[in-house]
Amino acid sequence: GAGVSQSPSNKVTEKGKDVELRCDPISGHTALYWYRQSLGQGLEFLIYFQGNSAPDKSGLPSDRFSAERTGGSVSTLTIQRTQQEDSAVYLCASSYLGGGTRFTDTQYFGPGTRLTVL
Amino acid sequence: GNSVTQMEGPVTLSEEAFLTINCTYTATGYPSLFWYVQYPGEGLQLLLKATKADDKGSNKGFEATYRKETTSFHLEKGSVQVSDSAVYFCALSLGTGNQFYFGTGTSLTVIP
Repeated sequence: GAGVSQSPSNKVTEKGKDVELRCDPISGHTALYWYRQSLGQGLEFLIYFQGNSAPDKSGLPSDRFSAERTGGSVSTLTIQRTQQEDSAVYLCASSYLGGGTRFTDTQYFGPGTRLTVL
Repeated sequence: GNSVTQMEGPVTLSEEAFLTINCTYTATGYPSLFWYVQYPGEGLQLLLKATKADDKGSNKGFEATYRKETTSFHLEKGSVQVSDSAVYFCALSLGTGNQFYFGTGTSLTVIP
């Protein structure tokens, strides 16, 4: 597709359940980011992938959060044993940080997944 | 550390009014600066950017100038429209591979 896509668009779950959120970045983009947007808050950085390098996990709020990126493309953010405070919109973004004229530090965002933990 | 501080909202303006949304930053290096816009029910879209001091980013009638001396990147538009109603986020990036640091967003409502 032309842009970043995320699924599902909405997810309602019960406290204590695990959830998986998916992100499909723009084709060919080397970097992928996850952010969290809580009600009335700005965007909180969670994790960053670039190529084959080890991900920057410095923003993950607890060990219940993890993410992987398979084949340098699709990424899945997993939240285990969800808590009510995990309710937020989870945003994925991608950018091209390879060499050449396509390089850009502009991040392109997906529409987000709204997670509600009851 | 790195951070972005932007004007708190919400902001309500009449159509054709002048808009300024203030944004200041602290950064450990030489950042690129961005304004993103989030229309109701949609994801974040890049509005404009500037990559070095004194650069002016512009798009859709919006402008922002990268002011290193005042560490600012204020967003302006001379005549707002109802369709500009959205949340505006100021952000900085330190370059290759770094996360973005976002402000908390400013909600703008333009009334006819």
